[in-house]
This record gives sequence, C-alpha cells and structure tokens, in this order.
Amino acid sequence: KQEVTQIPAALSVPEGENLVLNCSFTDSAIYNLQWFRQDPGKGLTSLLLIQSSQREQTSGRLNASLDKSSGRSTLYIAASQPGDSATYLCAVQDQTGANNLFFGTGTRLTVIP
Amino acid sequence: DTEVTQTPKHLVMGMTNKKSLKCEQHMGHRAMYWYKQKAKKPPELMFVYSYEKLSINESVPSRFSPECPNSSLLNLHLHALQPEDSALYLCASSPGRGQGNTEAFFGQGTRLTVV
Repeated sequence: KQEVTQIPAALSVPEGENLVLNCSFTDSAIYNLQWFRQDPGKGLTSLLLIQSSQREQTSGRLNASLDKSSGRSTLYIAASQPGDSATYLCAVQDQTGANNLFFGTGTRLTVIP
Repeated sequence: DTEVTQTPKHLVMGMTNKKSLKCEQHMGHRAMYWYKQKAKKPPELMFVYSYEKLSINESVPSRFSPECPNSSLLNLHLHALQPEDSALYLCASSPGRGQGNTEAFFGQGTRLTVV
C-alpha cells in the first residue's frame, strides 16, 4: 500500500524567507501528485497538481517539483508571508483503477511577522 | 466554478439520532469521495463513488451509509454513532479516470460532534 511521508512535521520561519516542504512516497507508480493547504478546522484548498509525466508546476510564489523515480516531491514557497501559515498536505493518486488519494502526514507552517 | 458545497457546516447529534451529511458539486465530476479527519491528522478515506457506483469502501462501520443519488450529489447517512466518530468530515470530487486533468477539489467540511 502506498505510504506518503512529509518532512518536517512543523516549520516556523520569519516573514520573507524562502522555504521548502518535502513529500516522499513509497510506490513510484503514481497517476498524479497534488499539494493542498488546510487552515485550522477548514477544508482543503488545492494549490498545485503535477501529472506523472510532468516535472514541475508553478503558481505565483509556489513551485512544486516531482521526481517520480525517487518517490519525491517538493513545494517551494518564495518570500513567505504570515498569510501562508497553514498545514500543507501532499497527496498521490496511484495508477490502479481506483480514484483513491493517499495523503501525507502534513507540514504545519508558521510564518512569523 | 470549482466549488464543492457541504451542509451542514456543524452538526451535534446524540448516539441514538439519525442524521445525514450532504455534498454537492456542479463541475461535472464523476468521482466523489468521503474522508474523515481527526485533529492534527491527515484525511482518511472512507468511500469513493465512481460514475455513481460505490468503488471503494475502506472497511467503514455500517453506522455510516453513503449514497450517491446522481452525479452531482453525495450523501452520508449517520445512525447510532459513537463519541469517537466526532471528526471533520470532508467531501471531495475529481473528474474521474480518463478525463485528463484529475485535480481533486474539497468542500469546507462538516464538523461533527457526537454526544
């Protein structure tokens, strides 16, 4: 069964810093990988989707990369802001016929003003 | 419109009550999901409907009963729940396999408290 791990579990940085969140998965046969943001007690907001044939995706200050063969993805956040404080989750969809999303354990980010 | 709408936002129910959670999307998505999320944990998959048919049931107790009346609606019927079932229940949808972009979208969740 696919296992997804995120490191670090928590991260605290001063405003303006660039930062990298890591996601690793055990089975490289994935269909896609998606990064989400979750504010406390709220639902998940989709940030970026990377198809298995892609290497990276960018949206504003966010850049996500995918190295399928090594089972890794990174989310790069440039010039962090206090509003970026949230939990960041990565999820992979496998190549079986099912539509299951396997979630990582999450990274709780705090950006200090 | 990339919205998944869940109702109610909050629900408090007794262990003998019967209630339902509702989820709606109008993106033409053919895969819909129920997830359960406990505090400080990632979402755990409960059920997946693909083209209105139940395709995944992750060994969920029978006190949770899903229903997909049509391609836009997903319900979760609750009966005889336990206090440990208190959690945030999230609904999601995605286009479904063979539809190109498979980006999943989530609702804001229903915060369920069982007393």
